[in-house]
Order: sequence, then C-alpha cells, then structure tokens
Amino acid sequence: GESVGLHLPTLSVQEGDNSIINCAYSNSASDYFIWYKQESGKGPQFIIDIRSNMDKRQGQRVTVLLNKTVKHLSLQIAATQPGDSAVYFCAEGGVDSSYKLIFGSGTRLLVRP
Amino acid sequence: SAVISQKPSRDICQRGTSLTIQCQVDSQVTMMFWYRQQPGQSLTLIATANQGSEATYESGFVIDKFPISRPNLTFSTLTVSNMSPEDSSIYLCSVEKEAGGKYEQYFGPGTRLTVT
Repeated sequence: GESVGLHLPTLSVQEGDNSIINCAYSNSASDYFIWYKQESGKGPQFIIDIRSNMDKRQGQRVTVLLNKTVKHLSLQIAATQPGDSAVYFCAEGGVDSSYKLIFGSGTRLLVRP
Repeated sequence: SAVISQKPSRDICQRGTSLTIQCQVDSQVTMMFWYRQQPGQSLTLIATANQGSEATYESGFVIDKFPISRPNLTFSTLTVSNMSPEDSSIYLCSVEKEAGGKYEQYFGPGTRLTVT
C-alpha cells in the first residue's frame, strides 16, 4: 500500500523496547484528546483517548499522558511490536463542546526486528 | 465501533474533471465528516455532512469546490469538482458514535485521488 507520512518525523525503536511519541497541542481550551494509528493504505484507527480532567490513562500496552500546563500529550507503547509500525497522530477536540477534531502533524514509528 | 466503506478506493483523474466519493457506514450515525490528507501530512477537516441540511464547511473549503450530499443517516458523498493536481490527496470519511457514554470518531479506509 501507499505510505503515509513520507515527510513526518520518525521514531525508530527496537522490538520489545518501549516507545514514547510526543505531541504538542494548540488550544488550551481543548477538552478531549485522542491518539490515532494509521497504517499504510488505511484510515486512522482509534487507540486511546483522555479528557482534560485527567493526566493519565492506561489501555492495553498503551498509556496516554496529558500535561495541560505545557499543552503536551504523549503516547507510551510498552513492549513495542512490529505490528505497531505506523504513523501516529494526536488529535484535540471538545472546544466549546464541539465535536470537531484538530489533528497534529504525526510521527512515524518504525520497529526494528 | 463502526464499519465504514468508501468508493472508490483510489482513482486517477484528469484536471478539470470531477470525482464523487461515496461513504457508507454499517449503522445510523448523526455525525459524518469529510477530511483531506495531503501527501505526507496530517488530516484536515473539510466539512461536516448534515443529514437533511447543507453541509457545514471549514475555513478554506467551499461548497462549489466540495459539494456534499447526506441523503440518510448511513451514507454521504463528497465531490471534488474541477480538479487540479493540488487536489491530489487522500479523502477520508469519518463518523461519530457513542461508545460507553462518550463519543468516538471512526474513519473509513480513505480514497486516494491523483490528479494529472
């Protein structure tokens, strides 16, 4: 399939290591934050979300951290696997209860075997 | 979740022509959206497809260029009109659904458009 994120920053990690992908969001009024994973030739897939009244949320092998003071969001992937290779986007929303999402620029994760 | 399909999955079109992209979801949804993803870039919201009324366009996008239809709660179309090479992008449909008391957005597989 076609590759997404040809010009995006790339994070290369060894299989089995933990990955940390960072995102700076733009609007201090955003109430809702989501991480999406996009594989080549596919649409973005929902991974995990967090509301602004939380600073940490855990899923299966993933953790999202939110630092509202510096408008920073991170996605931690534990024991990274080859199937985790993709482009990861953060998105923010919920401003004035709006459903609209604003997407960050994305990071490509490459997992070395 | 939601199962979303788009047609066509890809197309190569000549400049000056128009292409209509279809989006079908497996259940009724209130909110449907159209995004554009230019090569190597992130997603940008084009418009919200409203059932029974005109679509709501984001800044920089106009109805004459991107007419949208939403005839029912499971289907929408986006037309890219009078295409130029700058319109070469992936066009994605998404829907918002309730999951566990909150709303999540799910995306279709995208339509890759190349304009020559």
